[in-house]
Amino acid sequence: KQEVTQIPAALSVPEGENLVLNCSFTDSAIYNLQWFRQDPGKGLTSLLLIQSSQREQTSGRLNASLDKSSGRSTLYIAASQPGDSATYLCAVRGSAEYGNKLVFGAGTILRVKS
Amino acid sequence: EAEVAQSPRYKITEKSQAVAFWCDPISGHATLYWYRQILGQGPELLVQFQDESVVDDSQLPKDRFSAERLKGVDSTLKIQPAELGDSAMYLCASSLAWVTDTQYFGPGTRLTVL
Repeated sequence: KQEVTQIPAALSVPEGENLVLNCSFTDSAIYNLQWFRQDPGKGLTSLLLIQSSQREQTSGRLNASLDKSSGRSTLYIAASQPGDSATYLCAVRGSAEYGNKLVFGAGTILRVKS
Repeated sequence: EAEVAQSPRYKITEKSQAVAFWCDPISGHATLYWYRQILGQGPELLVQFQDESVVDDSQLPKDRFSAERLKGVDSTLKIQPAELGDSAMYLCASSLAWVTDTQYFGPGTRLTVL
């Protein structure tokens, strides 16, 4: 069974700092990996989607990397801002063996202090 | 920008009552998902539709939960009877294609069972 772990569970940083969020998964047979953002009491917003054949994706100040063989992904946020405060969720889409389901981690709660 | 619509946003009900949630996906999206998210955890898939057909409902507690997507557009998730442990956020998502595409999430329905 695919399991997704996110470390740290919570992170508090001063504005302007660069930071890294970590995601690990137990089964490397994945189709793709996504990073989502969730504001309190709201739905999820997709940030980046990395296909299994890719190593990284970038969008603005965000950069996500994928090392499928080691079961790891990182989300790098450059020059953090208070508006980046949210919960960040990593999700892996399993292979057909797992019904191609999206399996989520519990998230990292990020607080950026002004 | 097109969005996934959900209603109601909040629902408070008593144990043993029936509740229903509605979702309208982004126009043209063939795949629709219902997730349950318990506070502090990542979303967990309950049921997935491809057009009007159920593709995966392996995690749906079928003794009390039901879901339908009669015309392959909007969908309803029902719980009868509700139990205390059903208190959670219920999220609907849709995607253009099943495996390869990003899932777009609605704002969710926060259910509280008293």
